[in-house]
Amino acid sequence: EPEVTQTPSHQVTQMGQEVILRCVPISNHLYFYWYRQILGQKVEFLVSFYNNEISEKSEIFDDQFSVERPDGSNFTLKIRSTKLEDSAMYFCASRRETQYFGPGTRLLVL
Amino acid sequence: GDSVTQMEGPVTLSEEAFLTINCTYTATGYPSLFWYVQYPGEGLQLLLKATKADDKGSNKGFEATYRKETTSFHLEKGSVQVSDSAVYFCALKGAQAGTALIFGKGTTLSVSS
Repeated sequence: EPEVTQTPSHQVTQMGQEVILRCVPISNHLYFYWYRQILGQKVEFLVSFYNNEISEKSEIFDDQFSVERPDGSNFTLKIRSTKLEDSAMYFCASRRETQYFGPGTRLLVL
Repeated sequence: GDSVTQMEGPVTLSEEAFLTINCTYTATGYPSLFWYVQYPGEGLQLLLKATKADDKGSNKGFEATYRKETTSFHLEKGSVQVSDSAVYFCALKGAQAGTALIFGKGTTLSVSS
C-alpha cells in the first residue's frame, strides 16, 4: 500500500539554524500539506500546496517558513531561522480525496 | 470559524469495556468528518470517515455516525483491546475543495488487561 514518507525522523538543531524537512507524498496525489503538533497539543495546519503553489496557509506559517516541490516526488518545508517554539512534530500529508499522513519528523530546537 | 471539540482525556478502560469518545463540531455548510488515531511513537492514521449527514464510518470495530442535528461525530467501540491504546483525534474538513483538516485536541485512551 502506498504511503507518505518523511525524513529525517528526528532532527536536533540550534536556535537560529535553518532546517529542511522532507516528505515524499503518495505519487498520484495532488494536494500536499504540512501540519505540526507541539508536544501535548493539537495538530495544527501550517500550509497546503496544489499545482506548484501555496493554496492556503495559517497564521503560523510566517516568513520564516517556506515550502517547495523541487522535483516530481519531494515536498519540503524549510524553516529559515529556527526558534525554541518551533520544537514540534511536523507531519506531511497528501491526498486525492482523503488526507494520508506521514510518520512525522520530530524537531527539537535547542 | 470552523472548530472541533473533543472530550478531555485521558480515558482509562479495562479490556472488553465499551468506549465512547465524544466529538462535536462547528462548521458552515456540510463538512466531512474524520477520526484519526496516533499510536505511541507513530504518525496519524485515518481510522474512519463520513462525508454526509447520517453516514456511518466504521473500521476495526470502531464506528461513528455523522449527526447533523446534534453536530456530533462520536466514536464508539463495543469491546476495546489493549492494542487500542492510543490518542484519538476528531477532525473536520470544510466543504470547499482543498481545505485543510481542523483537529480536535485529541483524547488519550489507555486500555489495561
